[in-house]
Amino acid sequence: DGGITQSPKYLFRKEGQNVTLSCEQNLNHDAMYWYRQDPGQGLRLIYYSQIVNDFQKGDIAEGYSVSREKKESFPLTVTSAQKNPTAFYLCASSRVLGVGTDTQYFGPGTRLTVL
Amino acid sequence: AQTVTQSQPEMSVQEAETVTLSCTYDTSESNYYLFWYKQPPSRQMILVIRQEAYKQQNATENRFSVNFQKAAKSFSLKISDSQLGDTAMYFCATGANSKLTFGKGITLSVRP
Repeated sequence: DGGITQSPKYLFRKEGQNVTLSCEQNLNHDAMYWYRQDPGQGLRLIYYSQIVNDFQKGDIAEGYSVSREKKESFPLTVTSAQKNPTAFYLCASSRVLGVGTDTQYFGPGTRLTVL
Repeated sequence: AQTVTQSQPEMSVQEAETVTLSCTYDTSESNYYLFWYKQPPSRQMILVIRQEAYKQQNATENRFSVNFQKAAKSFSLKISDSQLGDTAMYFCATGANSKLTFGKGITLSVRP
């Protein structure tokens, strides 16, 4: 089955620790995205990548880092510099169009809680 | 820059009735797309419907249709014959240059 997987489903972190959220897709999509969802805030873009070994900051990149070493994988690291990391994190992927924006398909999400 | 406004935080509808969810947007892009996504209690984001801004014809997908008013920058979603499984949060989004901007969402409850 083609799709996007995220792991783990739930993640607990102590203050001061870095944690890495996994995102893998087998849809052969070039573009991948990370969003953060907070109650009443909708989805906010953290980072995105349109090609391997290249990525761009989104609207709320501070305290986060990413890598894109393989087309299928786009892990997100939440660093200790992120002031309020407790949130629901969603990964998505899409084709890259010449113009406009193709449909983004989402993974099931990871719920991160800082203890 | 793009912005999306969903001014109604919550709505409720009786099963089998019709409901319309409102969305307005602003963008400086000439080539853009518009989307409605559904997020049920499982929190899985699911595409409901998509509209290319250059197309005048309103998109439809079974019980879901949109009213796209480009000049007014309005993109409302109509759900016909509402079903209990339609209970979810609904997000409007606009996309350009491979990026999506989402509204804050509306919680829709379908009453039996």
